[in-house]
Amino acid sequence: EAGVAQSPRYKIIEKRQSVAFWCNPISGHATLYWYQQILGQGPKLLIQFQNNGVVDDSQLPKDRFSAERLKGVDSTLKIQPAKLEDSAVYLCASSRPSGSMEQYFGPGTRLTVT
Amino acid sequence: GEDVEQSLFLSVREGDSSVINCTYTDSSSTYLYWYKQEPGAGLQLLTYIFSNMDMKQDQRLTVLLNKKDKHLSLRIADTQTGDSAIYFCAERDGAGSYQLTFGKGTKLSVIP
Repeated sequence: EAGVAQSPRYKIIEKRQSVAFWCNPISGHATLYWYQQILGQGPKLLIQFQNNGVVDDSQLPKDRFSAERLKGVDSTLKIQPAKLEDSAVYLCASSRPSGSMEQYFGPGTRLTVT
Repeated sequence: GEDVEQSLFLSVREGDSSVINCTYTDSSSTYLYWYKQEPGAGLQLLTYIFSNMDMKQDQRLTVLLNKKDKHLSLRIADTQTGDSAIYFCAERDGAGSYQLTFGKGTKLSVIP
């Protein structure tokens, strides 16, 4: 079974630029999560999708972050405009239904904002 | 809100047992998790325990849960150099989005 795929693996941008990250979950997984992991911290949930609907986006900074999962499979997370404090690893995870005990994580995208 | 606390560093000698501790605050947590993160990699689910259990064993891993004290521990028997990584404790929200709240991670260093 293929794991969660993410791209790019690394991205360096200047502040005020925009950036997009892509995630393809494990086949058949209805629930998709985006987490932000700042250096030295644990991951923090940004947004959770169930199929193509948003379940929880309470911690997503909506003035600059957006995410979509139009066909209920892969997902894109966008930051526009980026700030220095957005430097982090962005992790995507997926699980079967939202009540499933197991979330599987991708390798992450390391974003550096200069 | 929910909070999960872990000590930041642990150093053990190869072949010894490692014990990583975690405390949490949300009494409605249904599941508690241990994840492992190696450098440059995502999180790997190691094991999890349901909140009505007090112990779970899986090969070299033993999880102990003291629900009264909201204390979780992960014991790794016969620790190997390949176990060097950051270990994250996480609790799952009891309802709604079932989101995970993670601790800051414990960096385990195994000395050969």
